[in-house]
Amino acid sequence: NAGVTQTPKFQVLKTGQSMTLQCAQDMNHEYMSWYRQDPGMGLRLIHYSVGAGITDQGEVPNGYNVSRSTTEDFPLRLLSAAPSQTSVYFCASSRGPVSGANVLTFGAGSRLTVL
Amino acid sequence: AQSVSQHNHHVILSEAASLELGCNYSYGGTVNLFWYVQYPGQHLQLLLKYFSGDPLVKGIKGFEAEFIKSKFSFNLRKPSVQWSDTAEYFCAVPMDSSYKLIFGSGTRLLVRP
Repeated sequence: NAGVTQTPKFQVLKTGQSMTLQCAQDMNHEYMSWYRQDPGMGLRLIHYSVGAGITDQGEVPNGYNVSRSTTEDFPLRLLSAAPSQTSVYFCASSRGPVSGANVLTFGAGSRLTVL
Repeated sequence: AQSVSQHNHHVILSEAASLELGCNYSYGGTVNLFWYVQYPGQHLQLLLKYFSGDPLVKGIKGFEAEFIKSKFSFNLRKPSVQWSDTAEYFCAVPMDSSYKLIFGSGTRLLVRP
């Protein structure tokens, strides 16, 4: 099993450019989410999805869009990148609500720099 | 709403020293608690979790954590750290819906050989 796969691993953008961070999982997990990690702030939830066709906002959704057309994929779109979006982005998935049996599995991360 | 705080932002230890990292959470019903670790350049990995039962939880690599309900704490411990334990450690608690995890701000541990 590949688990949670994120691409690209590194990306540099100019202010105003758009891009999509890809996330795919092969574990048939219903729940997928995107976090951003910034120094001293831990991980903050951007958007999440509890199944295909269902998405919702997390703590810091502004500037990001998501969609969930399939169970496997959960792309994160930056429509007009800003320097404040410079961060490391993690995709995570789980089989269902967090419990003793269901824990979040994380991807390797995507480091984004916006100039 | 649930919240979690980690008060130690940076910890520096020598090998073989004992480790205790603090984690406090706000009460919001059923308590589920996690510790994740992120080694340099890698993704987050689950270290241990508490859901019910024995408040002393054993994790991987010799780590353990104790859930103390009266203190709203879930501190991470290891009797003797190794250089390979150098990493960032995050405490986390599910939000009300249990789909979403709230993370603490993290503790960077540096173990000197």
